[in-house]
Amino acid sequence: GESVGLHLPTLSVQEGDNSIINCAYSNSASDYFIWYKQESGKGPQFIIDIRSNMDKRQGQRVTVLLNKTVKHLSLQIAATQPGDSAVYFCAEIDRGGTYKYIFGTGTRLKVLA
Amino acid sequence: DVKVTQSSRYLVKRTGEKVFLECVQDMDHENMFWYRQDPGLGLRLIYFSYDVKMKEKGDIPEGYSVSREKKERFSLILESASTNQTSMYLCASRQGIKNIQYFGAGTRLSVL
Repeated sequence: GESVGLHLPTLSVQEGDNSIINCAYSNSASDYFIWYKQESGKGPQFIIDIRSNMDKRQGQRVTVLLNKTVKHLSLQIAATQPGDSAVYFCAEIDRGGTYKYIFGTGTRLKVLA
Repeated sequence: DVKVTQSSRYLVKRTGEKVFLECVQDMDHENMFWYRQDPGLGLRLIYFSYDVKMKEKGDIPEGYSVSREKKERFSLILESASTNQTSMYLCASRQGIKNIQYFGAGTRLSVL
């Protein structure tokens, strides 16, 4: 089994509904952000990224919103599908500094049929 | 597609054993990373390497060492495994400092 998710906040969403997953980041100097998806038994998979000169970026069925004022990032998934069930976490990067990734602890998304 | 391959999905070792975790990437990436992932703590950086034969300590290097003799391979070594090193270990690589990190599937290590 996947023990990484035992202590995670969980979001349960009905199939077909939209999902919103939130992330608060810590470093006001961070200027690049990435969302990863980690399915059970697999490594993290890149979903979408956003630079700090943007406040919104859209991909296929996913949208990332960035609010630098309150240091908040969100991932919106449209028409959530069973295959979206996974742990989602954000990474913040300070490109003017060390380029070190700081990862959030993640949110588990459960899609209900 | 970027492919980062970790040699073992599951490992069970005994306390005091020397453990090698291997990671290979096939995209000629310069940078490689080792993380551990524990419940409630997120990913924590153990070691990273910007190029062949180069290595830098991450946030939690104690009890670990690494080796990067070839560009495509980055090995994590537990000199004397302890029970508190039971964890999921993730390897990642990226082309350059400004690019995205791509992860392997992970190695779940249990130290008994």
